[in-house]
Amino acid sequence: QVQLVQSGAEVKKPGASVKVSCKASGYSFTTYGISWVRQAPGQGLEWVGWISAYTSHTYYPQKLQGRVTVTTDTSTSTAYMELRNLRSDDAAIYYCARDPAILPGRGSDYWGQGTLVTVSS
Amino acid sequence: QSALTQPASVSGSPGQSITISCTGTSSDVGGYKYVSWYQQHPGKAPKLMIYEVSNRPSGVSNRFSGSKSGNTASLTISGLQAEDEADYYCSSYTSSNVVLFGGGTRLTVL
Repeated sequence: QVQLVQSGAEVKKPGASVKVSCKASGYSFTTYGISWVRQAPGQGLEWVGWISAYTSHTYYPQKLQGRVTVTTDTSTSTAYMELRNLRSDDAAIYYCARDPAILPGRGSDYWGQGTLVTVSS
Repeated sequence: QSALTQPASVSGSPGQSITISCTGTSSDVGGYKYVSWYQQHPGKAPKLMIYEVSNRPSGVSNRFSGSKSGNTASLTISGLQAEDEADYYCSSYTSSNVVLFGGGTRLTVL
């Protein structure tokens, strides 16, 4: 069965970086993409970025351009999301989700369990 | 880009039907067939309920349906059940190759 298993909770100081992993299993990793979505406490969903595991092409929201990088390691079927220069409003649960490989926004059909990122001095 | 616009809350009684709207622009909802709907129960990851405006993934009840008219997409839940009580989010692909989410709608089953 399709599974996305994310790395554990992180506590970071403002200005630091965080890198969250998402290990996929149960499907052919390179025939899909991976989206990253975050949810601040008590807030709605916010799209963080997308990568095609087939082409490694990426898209990011303008708001996070320059601070976020999404990558994949096809040898281990793992996707990564790195966010740099963390601020207090980056504190959230970060989810990875499986997407079609062509472009983002076609519907994320499987989701990871989420990774809580806390930003505190 | 601004988030898509959803009502903050809707409610209905068991057995009734409700509709949640999701309003965007011609650069997102109105311009593409790539509107999705997600259900999220407290403390859980989102679950895909509708993709490409009106398609249901395997395993999703046919009580859930989606549609679009102009710049507004809609999710309709018929035969409301207690288990449908959750937050619902729409999302859309945009002309900038990014994804926008709506602010979310809290569904209360009375």
